[in-house]
Amino acid sequence: AQSVTQLGSHVSVSEGALVLLRCNYSSSVPPYLFWYVQYPNQGLQLLLKYTSAATLVKGINGFEAEFKKSETSFHLTKPSAHMSDAAEYFCAVSPNTGTASKLTFGTGTRLQVTL
Amino acid sequence: DGGITQSPKYLFRKEGQNVTLSCEQNLNHDAMYWYRQDPGQGLRLIYYSQIVNDFQKGDIAEGYSVSREKKESFPLTVTSAQKNPTAFYLCASSSYGQGSYEQYFGPGTRLTVT
Repeated sequence: AQSVTQLGSHVSVSEGALVLLRCNYSSSVPPYLFWYVQYPNQGLQLLLKYTSAATLVKGINGFEAEFKKSETSFHLTKPSAHMSDAAEYFCAVSPNTGTASKLTFGTGTRLQVTL
Repeated sequence: DGGITQSPKYLFRKEGQNVTLSCEQNLNHDAMYWYRQDPGQGLRLIYYSQIVNDFQKGDIAEGYSVSREKKESFPLTVTSAQKNPTAFYLCASSSYGQGSYEQYFGPGTRLTVT
């Protein structure tokens, strides 16, 4: 069974500082990996996804993530945080075998951005 | 604009009543999903459907029921058998088949049962 672990339920950074949100996955084969963002009382929006084409994936709003098979990680980064980045971020995994598109989500990391 | 609509945004019900949450998509997606979100627990899959007239239980299906009579619609009924129905419910859809298909989410329905 696949799973994802997001280290740190809350992360606080200063505006302009580096954002690093951690995600580790567990899977017998390299899976597909996704990062989603959720603003309060809204649905989830896709930030980026890894589909084995390239290990460094660039997404929307200046975010990127690097797939590291040796570390089973897919951490999300942004060089300079903006106040509008304050939200909850979810890492998700799906198998890359067959036709399954079910996602397994992590428990989320709430990002706070301070002045 | 293509997208997923969920209605209503907020829903209040008395304990013991069944309630149906609406989900409609115009993205021409084959697959649709229902998730429940509780604080600190992420999203948990309730039911999913990969094709019309077919659906499968997810991780927490007890106390819920669904139907998929049309490609565009996937309503969720929260029955009186669901012990803790108060939660934020999210509907999603995706393409289905070989490949890495991301899911697109609706705005959610917040259900409060008292």
